[in-house]
Amino acid sequence: QQQVKQSPQSLIVQKGGISIINCAYENTAFDYFPWYQQFPGKGPALLIAIRPDVSEKKEGRFTISFNKSAKQFSLHIMDSQPGDSATYFCAAGVGGTSYGKLTFGQGTILTVHP
Amino acid sequence: ETGVTQTPRHLVMGMTNKKSLKCEQHLGHNAMYWYKQSAKKPLELMFVYNFKEQTENNSVPSRFSPECPNSSHLFLHLHTLQPEDSALYLCASSRGGGGTDTQYFGPGTRLTVL
Repeated sequence: QQQVKQSPQSLIVQKGGISIINCAYENTAFDYFPWYQQFPGKGPALLIAIRPDVSEKKEGRFTISFNKSAKQFSLHIMDSQPGDSATYFCAAGVGGTSYGKLTFGQGTILTVHP
Repeated sequence: ETGVTQTPRHLVMGMTNKKSLKCEQHLGHNAMYWYKQSAKKPLELMFVYNFKEQTENNSVPSRFSPECPNSSHLFLHLHTLQPEDSALYLCASSRGGGGTDTQYFGPGTRLTVL
């Protein structure tokens, strides 16, 4: 019940294309859904996050879509660039806790070809 | 130094050795975390310290022993490890006091147990 399932494991996209990564969860107590981006040799860094009171959040080329009834959320990267090549992790947590206890997905390795 | 730093960046140890990983955050945060990152697996939360008190131990074997002497420093003491403990160990920090606080990760220590 604590798992967050992420797909696909790897994704190859041409420059200018749309990258889509999907996540699903079971625990209805989750109410905070961040996405992290990790480059080789670096730790993950927060990319964008959403709370379930909205169905979509957009920041630049990055958009989170959230479907509360289906318990699914996804990351869309528009106009994908070679610099977006990285590993992306979705996560889920409970906002009401006093510290961040996140459950992470397995990660998606994104490669954007020039 | 800015952000979250970790030393050493790489560590090779035998199963009978004792070593320690160090994490330091320069962000004025009050919560610090240890995660284990293995290939093709989700990030696994190991320990959480919130205002220097351990608030989470995610069923981690006793061969891993955390220490948080103050809110800026976090250690992970290692002894009699197993080869399956080889992984990237990530430290993170957050402001503390909220489940939606952004977690800032260090670059990790790549541990190899022979």
